[in-house]
Amino acid sequence: NAGVTQTPKFQVLKTGQSMTLQCAQDMNHEYMSWYRQDPGMGLRLIHYSVGAGITDQGEVPNGYNVSRSTTEDFPLRLLSAAPSQTSVYFCASSYSRGRQVYGYTFGSGTRLTVV
Amino acid sequence: AQKITQTQPGMFVQEKEAVTLDCTYDTSDQSYGLFWYKQPSSGEMIFLIYQGSYDEQNATEGRYSLNFQKARKSANLVISASQLGDSAMYFCAMSSYTGNQFYFGTGTSLTVIP
Repeated sequence: NAGVTQTPKFQVLKTGQSMTLQCAQDMNHEYMSWYRQDPGMGLRLIHYSVGAGITDQGEVPNGYNVSRSTTEDFPLRLLSAAPSQTSVYFCASSYSRGRQVYGYTFGSGTRLTVV
Repeated sequence: AQKITQTQPGMFVQEKEAVTLDCTYDTSDQSYGLFWYKQPSSGEMIFLIYQGSYDEQNATEGRYSLNFQKARKSANLVISASQLGDSAMYFCAMSSYTGNQFYFGTGTSLTVIP
């Protein structure tokens, strides 16, 4: 049981390049989400998904695309990288039953630098 | 809109002493969840404790307890018997009632002094 797996762990991009951050979970969680963490600002929600085929925008969605074709995978695409997207990116998964949230698990993060 | 506030950018505590990390939140939802996470220097996010808005008793997990005061909209983390390994950033977070969106505070850096 690997939990939430993010790849790559580190990446350097040139301005204007595109790339995909991978996220996979093996816990059959219905909810998955992407966050970015910048110094002094905590984590901010980029996009989230409540199930396969369903995605929605979070607080800071501009410049990012997501898709959820399977329960397990939730990739994050940077369309045209900008220096402002230099950050640490976390993927997370969870599920809820009734009024309780369970299993909120984070991946180990991807440290992205755009030069 | 949901908002989490952590007003202590940095805290120091003597080893073996207890420490309280403050967290206040703002939401108009009746059903929500409150979480605390630890982020050591290695960068991973480690789940510590969860409190549901309908839970009447404060949550406890080993040396961690959550002091939940619903009327004051506060969810302070209490760490008892601090250890050197507790030195890290601590984040308070609130989930939407469905649990698919989280809102984080800016964090508190805790340093445990031997």
